[in-house]
Amino acid sequence: DAKTTQPPSMDCAEGRAANLPCNHSTISGNEYVYWYRQIHSQGPQYIIHGLKNNETNEMASLIITEDRKSSTLILPHATLRDTAVYYCIVSPSGNTPLVFGKGTRLSVIA
Amino acid sequence: GAVVSQHPSWVICKSGTSVKIECRSLDFQATTMFWYRQFPKQSLMLMATSNEGSKATYEQGVEKDKFLINHASLTLSTLTVTSAHPEDSSFYICSARSGRGTEAFFGQGTRLTVV
Repeated sequence: DAKTTQPPSMDCAEGRAANLPCNHSTISGNEYVYWYRQIHSQGPQYIIHGLKNNETNEMASLIITEDRKSSTLILPHATLRDTAVYYCIVSPSGNTPLVFGKGTRLSVIA
Repeated sequence: GAVVSQHPSWVICKSGTSVKIECRSLDFQATTMFWYRQFPKQSLMLMATSNEGSKATYEQGVEKDKFLINHASLTLSTLTVTSAHPEDSSFYICSARSGRGTEAFFGQGTRLTVV
């Protein structure tokens, strides 16, 4: 079973920041927080991951609370092409499969 | 980043026939690959873990005799859906972790339609 809880859907205006929350209150010390997204009829696309510290890359920022029980993915300037299902996953590194929950369906609106 | 390529992207087959899906890691070696299935409006469900040079391990409820997995090299895993039926119609996705980083990479997915 997935170890994360996400809202089923969210809307965001084009050009605004999209903030996607995720609860992972049972996360273990060796587990990372991963974010992926899936655009319709495509394989999941890696966005970002982190362990304890906040992370930023060209796609997004990841904010992890100090107790690591929740996190927020931030898309700073959402575009219509960011419309997708976003999955928050906790998993150790190494050769273990990622377990997907239901994710959040983000709709970016013009 | 590392690339995982899946082929074909889509396939239509007649009921009772078998279909083979290939998953390749293009720029890294993958001792382990993972196969997922996704039905419409649902999330990805792990089917099996493919291990190079040894038998695959299947999740509960997945028929190993129906979904044959072969991982003959460090860059190729195949999933064969044997005696396909319409209820096997789904989106099949493979994944691998490169070992260089910690993230997993996914193939483009294969849309299987059994008629």
